Amino acid sequence: QQKVQQSPESLIVPEGGMASLNCTSSDRNVDYFWWYRQHSGKSPKMLMSIFSNGEKEEGRFTVHLNKASLHTSLHIRDSQPSDSALYLCAASGVRNNRIFFGDGTQLVVKP
Amino acid sequence: EAAVTQSPRNKVAVTGGKVTLSCNQTNNHNNMYWYRQDTGHGLRLIHYSYGAGSTEKGDIPDGYKASRPSQENFSLILELATPSQTSVYFCASGASGGREQYFGPGTRLTVL
Repeated sequence: QQKVQQSPESLIVPEGGMASLNCTSSDRNVDYFWWYRQHSGKSPKMLMSIFSNGEKEEGRFTVHLNKASLHTSLHIRDSQPSDSALYLCAASGVRNNRIFFGDGTQLVVKP
Repeated sequence: EAAVTQSPRNKVAVTGGKVTLSCNQTNNHNNMYWYRQDTGHGLRLIHYSYGAGSTEKGDIPDGYKASRPSQENFSLILELATPSQTSVYFCASGASGGREQYFGPGTRLTVL
C-alpha cells in the first residue's frame, strides 16, 4: 500500500507567486520527512528535511511538519520558472533502512 | 559531495535478452538502492542492499535480480528483458538508518 500520499498531483503558479505542496504518511513509524526536487531529465536531489514539529526555512523554501497528523508541507514563495520540477516527498523511520517516496507533485511556474 | 555513477547511461535491449545495469558509489555508504521511474511518476523501489553480499526485495522485484559484490558496487540484472521494463532506472546510496539518499544520473532503458 502507498505509505506516502502527495497532493496536488500537479500545480501551476505564476512567477512570483506562492506554491504549496502537501504530503501525508499513513505509517505511524515514520519520524523523518524529506523533500526532493527533480528537474526534467535529471536525478532527484534532496531539497529539505525535517523531523521536529514546526517549521524550517531555507531561503524561499519553508517546510512545516505536524508529527501528530504525519503531515508535512512545502511552501515556495516568490516562485521562479527555475522552480518548475517534480517535487517528491519521502518518509523514513529509525527502524528502516529505506525511505518511502510519494508519487510527486509536478510544479510549473509560468512567467 | 556524494558521488554515485551509473553505467550505461542509455541502453537499448531486445525482448528476452539479458541486461545488466551497474552502479558505483564512493561515499562508503552501507545502503544502496535500485529504483525505476516511469514518465511523470514517482520512484518505485526494486531491490536494495545493506552491505556487500546482501540484497533485499523492494516493492516491485519481479523480473529483476540484484547483486552487491562489494561496498562500492551494486548491479541490477534483467535476465529476460520485456518491453514493460522500459523505464529510467536510478541507483542511490545512503547511510544506515534510512536517511538521505544520493542518486546517480540514471539509466534510460528501452526494451524493444
